[in-house]
Amino acid sequence: DTEVTQTPKHLVMGMTNKKSLKCEQHMGHRAMYWYKQKAKKPPELMFVYSYEKLSINESVPSRFSPECPNSSLLNLHLHALQPEDSALYLCASSQVWSSGNTIYFGEGSWLTVV
Amino acid sequence: AQSVTQLDSQVPVFEEAPVELRCNYSSSVSVYLFWYVQYPNQGLQLLLKYLSGSTLVKGINGFEAEFNKSQTSFHLRKPSVHISDTAEYFCAVMEGGGNKLTFGTGTQLKVEL
Repeated sequence: DTEVTQTPKHLVMGMTNKKSLKCEQHMGHRAMYWYKQKAKKPPELMFVYSYEKLSINESVPSRFSPECPNSSLLNLHLHALQPEDSALYLCASSQVWSSGNTIYFGEGSWLTVV
Repeated sequence: AQSVTQLDSQVPVFEEAPVELRCNYSSSVSVYLFWYVQYPNQGLQLLLKYLSGSTLVKGINGFEAEFNKSQTSFHLRKPSVHISDTAEYFCAVMEGGGNKLTFGTGTQLKVEL
């Protein structure tokens, strides 16, 4: 069982809607991640937070807005998305400064933009 | 920059047969290597990882992998597969000192009766 919990599991939204994806972990990890995965493709890194501060933004469009309210929570705010943004969005977490940290993934949130 | 190559996009195999999924990487620095499995409609689960030490790494569900530095490979093996092993398998590399995973394109393992 994964210890990274994502909600909702499925989300359908229109191109003018504002919605959010939520992620929670209770493993004491201080690094949290958002990945995007299209069908039949590997996950692609979007954002990394270390100690609740954004440390990596992989040139993601501004219609995706991450937020890390505390060390256990990670949100992804969605606004004015396009149909091509439909994908599986994976949250993950890990320790920060140890070498070779294992990154633990959640089950993902399936997003469909109509 | 690091990269990962999984040459086989699909590997069909009969149940109870052995299987090897190939992974090659390139990097100019030391790396850590991972294998993840993704069952249909699920997230990724760690199978095993290589950090240092013994080049033969054992993971969950009877899988093992061997790190070969000279060939820059990290192939995944299982001596006898089960129907339940049907899934997508991703090899990934992380450069030392970082926390960014770079994934290969994945290999779909399909186990048939």
